[in-house]
Amino acid sequence: AQKITQTQPGMFVQEKEAVTLDCTYDTSDPSYGLFWYKQPSSGEMIFLIYQGSYDQQNATEGRYSLNFQKARKSANLVISASQLGDSAMYFCAMREPYNNNDMRFGAGTRLTVKP
Amino acid sequence: GAVVSQHPSRVICKSGTSVKIECRSLDFQATTMFWYRQFPKQSLMLMATSNEGSKATYEQGVEKDKFLINHASLTLSTLTVTSAHPEDSSFYICSASIGQDYSGANVLTFGAGSRLTVL
Repeated sequence: AQKITQTQPGMFVQEKEAVTLDCTYDTSDPSYGLFWYKQPSSGEMIFLIYQGSYDQQNATEGRYSLNFQKARKSANLVISASQLGDSAMYFCAMREPYNNNDMRFGAGTRLTVKP
Repeated sequence: GAVVSQHPSRVICKSGTSVKIECRSLDFQATTMFWYRQFPKQSLMLMATSNEGSKATYEQGVEKDKFLINHASLTLSTLTVTSAHPEDSSFYICSASIGQDYSGANVLTFGAGSRLTVL
Protein backbone atom coordinates (compact mmCIF):
# COMPACT_ATOMS: atom_id res chain seq x y z
CA ALA A 1 0.00 0.00 0.00
CA GLN A 2 1.21 3.48 -0.81
CA LYS A 3 2.42 5.13 2.34
CA ILE A 4 3.16 8.58 0.98
CA THR A 5 0.94 10.27 -1.57
CA GLN A 6 1.81 13.36 -3.55
CA THR A 7 -1.04 14.16 -5.90
CA GLN A 8 0.55 17.04 -7.79
CA PRO A 9 2.89 15.80 -10.54
CA GLY A 10 3.73 19.37 -11.45
CA MET A 11 3.22 22.83 -10.03
CA PHE A 12 3.94 26.30 -11.33
CA VAL A 13 4.47 29.39 -9.23
CA GLN A 14 5.39 32.96 -10.01
CA GLU A 15 8.66 34.19 -8.62
CA LYS A 16 8.28 35.79 -5.16
CA GLU A 17 4.94 34.13 -4.53
CA ALA A 18 4.22 31.30 -2.08
CA VAL A 19 3.38 27.76 -3.10
CA THR A 20 2.04 24.73 -1.27
CA LEU A 21 3.05 21.20 -2.18
CA ASP A 22 0.68 18.54 -0.92
CA CYS A 23 1.57 15.35 0.90
CA THR A 24 -0.56 12.80 2.71
CA TYR A 25 0.72 9.75 4.50
CA ASP A 26 -0.54 6.53 5.96
CA THR A 27 0.75 4.83 9.08
CA SER A 28 -0.59 3.11 12.15
CA ASP A 29 2.54 3.76 14.18
CA PRO A 30 2.29 6.54 16.76
CA SER A 31 5.95 7.46 16.27
CA TYR A 32 7.11 8.59 12.86
CA GLY A 33 9.01 11.32 11.11
CA LEU A 34 8.02 13.30 8.06
CA PHE A 35 10.57 14.88 5.74
CA TRP A 36 10.78 16.97 2.62
CA TYR A 37 13.67 16.73 0.21
CA LYS A 38 14.52 18.75 -2.86
CA GLN A 39 16.12 17.10 -5.86
CA PRO A 40 17.51 19.46 -8.52
CA SER A 41 18.43 18.20 -11.97
CA SER A 42 21.86 17.17 -10.68
CA GLY A 43 20.18 14.38 -8.76
CA GLU A 44 21.39 15.12 -5.27
CA MET A 45 18.85 14.88 -2.47
CA ILE A 46 18.77 18.01 -0.33
CA PHE A 47 17.08 17.85 3.05
CA LEU A 48 14.67 20.73 3.62
CA ILE A 49 12.56 20.19 6.70
CA TYR A 50 11.49 17.64 9.30
CA GLN A 51 8.33 17.17 11.37
CA GLY A 52 8.03 14.65 14.16
CA SER A 53 4.74 12.96 14.91
CA TYR A 54 4.79 14.25 18.47
CA ASP A 55 5.72 17.79 17.59
CA GLN A 56 3.06 20.24 18.66
CA GLN A 57 4.13 23.04 16.40
CA ASN A 58 4.62 23.15 12.67
CA ALA A 59 8.23 22.99 11.59
CA THR A 60 9.83 25.97 9.90
CA GLU A 61 13.22 26.36 8.23
CA GLY A 62 13.79 29.71 6.62
CA ARG A 63 11.42 30.01 3.65
CA TYR A 64 10.15 26.48 4.20
CA SER A 65 7.36 25.58 6.55
CA LEU A 66 5.46 22.38 7.04
CA ASN A 67 1.71 22.47 7.52
CA PHE A 68 1.23 19.41 9.72
CA GLN A 69 -2.34 18.25 10.18
CA LYS A 70 -2.05 15.04 12.11
CA ALA A 71 -5.70 14.06 12.15
CA ARG A 72 -5.86 14.41 8.39
CA LYS A 73 -2.46 12.75 7.98
CA SER A 74 -1.16 15.54 5.83
CA ALA A 75 2.21 17.27 5.80
CA ASN A 76 2.15 19.96 3.15
CA LEU A 77 5.27 21.95 2.35
CA VAL A 78 4.90 25.69 2.00
CA ILE A 79 7.61 27.62 0.20
CA SER A 80 7.37 31.35 0.67
CA ALA A 81 8.84 33.99 -1.61
CA SER A 82 9.69 31.51 -4.37
CA GLN A 83 12.98 31.91 -6.17
CA LEU A 84 14.07 30.67 -9.59
CA GLY A 85 16.47 28.31 -7.86
CA ASP A 86 13.56 26.57 -6.19
CA SER A 87 12.68 24.89 -9.48
CA ALA A 88 13.25 21.18 -8.80
CA MET A 89 11.58 17.94 -7.82
CA TYR A 90 10.26 17.84 -4.29
CA PHE A 91 9.75 14.61 -2.40
CA CYS A 92 7.79 14.02 0.74
CA ALA A 93 9.05 11.11 2.83
CA MET A 94 8.33 9.25 6.04
CA ARG A 95 10.34 7.19 8.47
CA GLU A 96 8.72 4.68 10.77
CA PRO A 97 11.27 3.77 13.43
CA TYR A 98 9.59 0.51 14.34
CA ASN A 99 9.22 -0.54 10.72
CA ASN A 100 12.81 -0.92 9.51
CA ASN A 101 13.38 2.80 10.05
CA ASP A 102 14.03 3.33 6.36
CA MET A 103 12.68 6.30 4.44
CA ARG A 104 9.78 5.92 2.00
CA PHE A 105 9.16 8.52 -0.62
CA GLY A 106 6.17 9.90 -2.42
CA ALA A 107 6.05 10.16 -6.20
CA GLY A 108 7.30 13.72 -6.11
CA THR A 109 6.15 17.09 -7.39
CA ARG A 110 8.04 19.02 -10.03
CA LEU A 111 7.99 22.69 -9.13
CA THR A 112 8.68 25.29 -11.78
CA VAL A 113 9.19 28.89 -10.73
CA LYS A 114 8.35 31.39 -13.44
CA PRO A 115 10.21 34.70 -13.67
CA GLY B 1 27.55 18.03 9.07
CA ALA B 2 27.17 14.45 8.00
CA VAL B 3 28.62 13.75 4.57
CA VAL B 4 28.08 10.68 2.44
CA SER B 5 30.42 10.17 -0.48
CA GLN B 6 29.34 7.99 -3.37
CA HIS B 7 31.50 6.81 -6.26
CA PRO B 8 31.48 6.63 -9.19
CA SER B 9 29.04 9.38 -10.12
CA ARG B 10 28.65 8.01 -13.62
CA VAL B 11 29.49 4.65 -15.09
CA ILE B 12 28.92 3.13 -18.49
CA CYS B 13 29.44 -0.57 -18.93
CA LYS B 14 28.77 -3.33 -21.40
CA SER B 15 25.98 -5.80 -20.90
CA GLY B 16 27.10 -8.79 -18.87
CA THR B 17 29.76 -7.00 -16.85
CA SER B 18 29.65 -6.18 -13.15
CA VAL B 19 29.77 -2.72 -11.64
CA LYS B 20 30.63 -1.75 -8.08
CA ILE B 21 29.34 1.41 -6.43
CA GLU B 22 30.84 2.62 -3.17
CA CYS B 23 29.14 4.60 -0.45
CA ARG B 24 31.21 6.09 2.37
CA SER B 25 30.21 8.04 5.44
CA LEU B 26 33.03 10.55 5.77
CA ASP B 27 32.62 12.05 9.21
CA PHE B 28 30.39 9.66 11.06
CA GLN B 29 29.83 5.97 11.57
CA ALA B 30 26.84 4.55 9.78
CA THR B 31 25.48 1.41 11.35
CA THR B 32 22.81 1.29 8.69
CA MET B 33 22.89 2.39 5.10
CA PHE B 34 20.06 2.32 2.60
CA TRP B 35 20.29 1.80 -1.14
CA TYR B 36 17.73 3.34 -3.45
CA ARG B 37 17.13 3.16 -7.18
CA GLN B 38 15.50 5.90 -9.18
CA PHE B 39 14.31 5.50 -12.75
CA PRO B 40 13.85 8.63 -14.89
CA LYS B 41 10.99 10.85 -13.76
CA GLN B 42 10.15 8.47 -10.93
CA SER B 43 10.59 8.45 -7.20
CA LEU B 44 13.26 6.78 -5.11
CA MET B 45 12.54 3.14 -4.46
CA LEU B 46 14.23 1.37 -1.59
CA MET B 47 16.24 -1.61 -2.77
CA ALA B 48 17.85 -2.82 0.41
CA THR B 49 18.87 -2.01 3.94
CA SER B 50 22.51 -2.61 4.69
CA ASN B 51 23.60 -3.26 8.28
CA GLU B 52 27.25 -3.33 9.23
CA GLY B 53 28.51 -6.83 9.77
CA SER B 54 25.37 -8.62 8.70
CA LYS B 55 23.53 -9.56 5.54
CA ALA B 56 21.54 -6.92 3.77
CA THR B 57 17.76 -6.98 3.84
CA TYR B 58 16.28 -6.72 0.37
CA GLU B 59 12.92 -5.32 -0.59
CA GLN B 60 10.44 -7.55 -2.32
CA GLY B 61 11.20 -7.89 -5.99
CA VAL B 62 14.89 -6.97 -5.70
CA GLU B 63 17.18 -9.82 -6.70
CA LYS B 64 19.78 -10.26 -4.00
CA ASP B 65 22.03 -12.32 -6.27
CA LYS B 66 22.04 -9.55 -8.83
CA PHE B 67 22.48 -6.63 -6.48
CA LEU B 68 25.17 -7.65 -4.01
CA ILE B 69 25.49 -5.42 -1.00
CA ASN B 70 28.42 -5.52 1.39
CA HIS B 71 28.67 -3.42 4.54
CA ALA B 72 32.01 -4.51 5.92
CA SER B 73 32.74 -1.47 8.04
CA LEU B 74 30.91 1.34 9.77
CA THR B 75 31.91 3.78 7.04
CA LEU B 76 31.65 1.77 3.84
CA SER B 77 28.88 -0.02 2.00
CA THR B 78 29.15 -1.28 -1.56
CA LEU B 79 26.56 -2.22 -4.15
CA THR B 80 27.67 -4.52 -6.94
CA VAL B 81 25.40 -4.91 -9.94
CA THR B 82 26.33 -8.30 -11.32
CA SER B 83 25.90 -9.28 -14.96
CA ALA B 84 24.36 -5.91 -15.70
CA HIS B 85 21.76 -5.57 -18.43
CA PRO B 86 20.28 -2.47 -20.09
CA GLU B 87 17.21 -2.66 -17.85
CA ASP B 88 19.52 -2.14 -14.85
CA SER B 89 20.36 1.33 -16.17
CA SER B 90 19.22 3.69 -13.46
CA PHE B 91 20.26 6.22 -10.84
CA TYR B 92 21.46 4.49 -7.68
CA ILE B 93 21.60 6.48 -4.45
CA CYS B 94 22.88 5.45 -1.05
CA SER B 95 22.00 7.08 2.25
CA ALA B 96 22.86 6.84 5.90
CA SER B 97 21.82 8.32 9.20
CA ILE B 98 23.79 9.02 12.31
CA GLY B 99 22.99 6.76 15.18
CA GLN B 100 19.84 4.85 15.79
CA ASP B 101 16.87 6.35 17.49
CA TYR B 102 13.24 5.42 17.64
CA SER B 103 11.63 8.73 17.08
CA GLY B 104 12.02 8.61 13.32
CA ALA B 105 13.81 11.92 13.60
CA ASN B 106 17.13 11.04 12.10
CA VAL B 107 17.59 12.78 8.82
CA LEU B 108 18.95 10.61 6.08
CA THR B 109 22.00 12.03 4.36
CA PHE B 110 22.28 11.00 0.75
CA GLY B 111 25.21 10.40 -1.50
CA ALA B 112 25.28 12.30 -4.77
CA GLY B 113 24.13 9.21 -6.66
CA SER B 114 25.58 7.00 -9.36
CA ARG B 115 24.14 7.02 -12.84
CA LEU B 116 24.58 3.59 -14.39
CA THR B 117 24.19 3.10 -18.12
CA VAL B 118 24.41 -0.43 -19.45
CA LEU B 119 24.97 -0.70 -23.19
